[in-house]
Amino acid sequence: SQQGEEDPQALSIQEGENATMNCSYKTSINNLQWYRQNSGRGLVHLILIRSNEREKHSGRLRVTLDTSKKSSSLLITASRAADTASYFCATDARAGNQFYFGTGTSLTVIP
Amino acid sequence: DVKVTQSSRYLVKRTGEKVFLECVQDMDHENMFWYRQDPGLGLRLIYFSYDVKMKEKGDIPEGYSVSREKKERFSLILESASTNQTSMYLCASSLSSGGWVTEAFFGQGTRLTVV
Repeated sequence: SQQGEEDPQALSIQEGENATMNCSYKTSINNLQWYRQNSGRGLVHLILIRSNEREKHSGRLRVTLDTSKKSSSLLITASRAADTASYFCATDARAGNQFYFGTGTSLTVIP
Repeated sequence: DVKVTQSSRYLVKRTGEKVFLECVQDMDHENMFWYRQDPGLGLRLIYFSYDVKMKEKGDIPEGYSVSREKKERFSLILESASTNQTSMYLCASSLSSGGWVTEAFFGQGTRLTVV
């Protein structure tokens, strides 16, 4: 399986703090994506970073990619209670249009 | 607003039943996917399709089959449901873009319980 792995599995922070979660993967990729899932719901796309990019921003989100270490990080700045969710990374390690998800980080933001 | 719709949010079926999970997208996407999600295991790819009548196995295809007769519809079939197929099933679609993966749009999920 090409499945990635997020770290930590669970994270609990106070509102206003920054949250950082990491993703490691096994093989070379074309791009990496981050998704968010609210409890019992489908996933929502947050951001896509290509293998030739090192950093990308979207609002309060900052994603970095280190292809030499086969890892990525997602930083959420000034967290809010509404950011409480699970966060997944997805990679397209194989040829073709499919992609593979990690096991997720469960983030709890305490008001 | 883009939409991926799964036919049921909750489903309870008996062991041995044939189960159909339907997924429809209205975005004219070429690619469609079925995942199952279990605690501690994340999302695992069951099958995907990159065109009408085309299908490819993912990581865990055993016990499942799929059908894509029309571009907008991708069905997951449990030939003979078993209790270990109790799970959350997620359908997704994405556009093909010159060989690059693009973002996936997900349905709301179907929580299937096999008793």
